Amino acid sequence: NAGVTQTPKFRVLKTGQSMTLLCAQDMNHEYMYWYRQDPGMGLRLIHYSVGEGTTAKGEVPDGYNVSRLKKQNFLLGLESAAPSQTSVYFCASSPMTGGSYNEQFFGPGTRLTVL
Amino acid sequence: LAKTTQPISMDSYEGQEVNITCSHNNIATNDYITWYQQFPSQGPRFIIQGYKTKVTNEVASLFIPADRKSSTLSLPRVSLSDTAVYYCLVGDMLNAGNNRKLIWGLGTSLAVNP
Repeated sequence: NAGVTQTPKFRVLKTGQSMTLLCAQDMNHEYMYWYRQDPGMGLRLIHYSVGEGTTAKGEVPDGYNVSRLKKQNFLLGLESAAPSQTSVYFCASSPMTGGSYNEQFFGPGTRLTVL
Repeated sequence: LAKTTQPISMDSYEGQEVNITCSHNNIATNDYITWYQQFPSQGPRFIIQGYKTKVTNEVASLFIPADRKSSTLSLPRVSLSDTAVYYCLVGDMLNAGNNRKLIWGLGTSLAVNP
């Protein structure tokens, strides 16, 4: 099992450019999440999905869009990148049953710099 | 909305027991408490989860008092490899709808010295 993978690992964008971050999981998890991690801010939830075809806003959704067309994939899009979106982005997934409901499995992260 | 507060940093020595406390005064009835460990340039990794009282697994224990307004992660006999950032997470386990709330603390940077 590869677990949770993220593509790309690093990216540099210019202000106004767009890009899509891809997250894939092979654990058949229902829930998937996108976070950003900034120094001194901890982890903040951007968007999440409770199943294929569903998405919902998290704590800091502005400037981002997501799609979950397939159960194993969760895409995060930046339509017009801004320097404030410079961050490390983590994707996670979790099962929805039993005591491990809130155990999230994280990917290795994508380091994004917007100039 | 629950807010979690934890110490910014802690120092310890190899072989000692380390206790990291997280404060979550506004925890909701359905919220569980989960702790994660994160090494540089990696995603967080699950350590332990609990709802009330005490939970123990092969790597840690989690103590939750009756009022659930705080929790303490206990790492027995730490080693150099336990040097990492530890996060407290308070989350709504049962709400699978659009109001799912996952409140992360800002992390405690633990340094284990030889």
